[in-house]
Amino acid sequence: TQLLEQSPQFLSIQEGENLTVYCNSSSVFSSLQWYRQEPGEGPVLLVTVVTGGEVKKLKRLTFQFGDARKDSSLHITAAQPGDTGLYLCAARSSGTYKYIFGTGTRLKVLA
Amino acid sequence: GAGVSQSPSNKVTEKGKDVELRCDPISGHTALYWYRQSLGQGLEFLIYFQGNSAPDKSGLPSDRFSAERTGGSVSTLTIQRTQQEDSAVYLCASSSLRDTQYFGPGTRLTVL
Repeated sequence: TQLLEQSPQFLSIQEGENLTVYCNSSSVFSSLQWYRQEPGEGPVLLVTVVTGGEVKKLKRLTFQFGDARKDSSLHITAAQPGDTGLYLCAARSSGTYKYIFGTGTRLKVLA
Repeated sequence: GAGVSQSPSNKVTEKGKDVELRCDPISGHTALYWYRQSLGQGLEFLIYFQGNSAPDKSGLPSDRFSAERTGGSVSTLTIQRTQQEDSAVYLCASSSLRDTQYFGPGTRLTVL
């Protein structure tokens, strides 16, 4: 069974701090996505990475796909209260359409 | 344009009753997914529809769960003889060939 483990599970930080969230697996994936979910809403896609070693930036968020395409990280610089939410990684294997979701990281940024 | 909509937003039912959850995908999206999310956790894949192909039902947890998609658009997830462990948020997502999944707001199911 393919598993995506995220760490940390919970993170509470002060506004302005930096943080990194990790998404790890023993399986190789063809693509990996990061989502943010707010209470009462469905997840919203932030980014998709497909190439090993790929780095993508979205304002203060930096996403990296591991060289072996088994893991990924999300780094947030100068976190703001608006970054608060549940961050989920999701990955898909080559030749399939089924996405496996990670266990989630709940982030709270305090003003 | 309109996003994915789900109804009802909340459903409270008694153990043993049947429930139907509805998903209206984005117009033109050929793929539709159902997921289940326990409180604050990740998403568990349930079922996938793509065009006129046979659905992938491999994620359905038991034969009490079924889903259909009529006319390649609206989908209904049915849970028969609900149990307390069925309590969760049920999320629907649709996508086009570009792979991005767009999620609805979910239906929160509570089985008493």
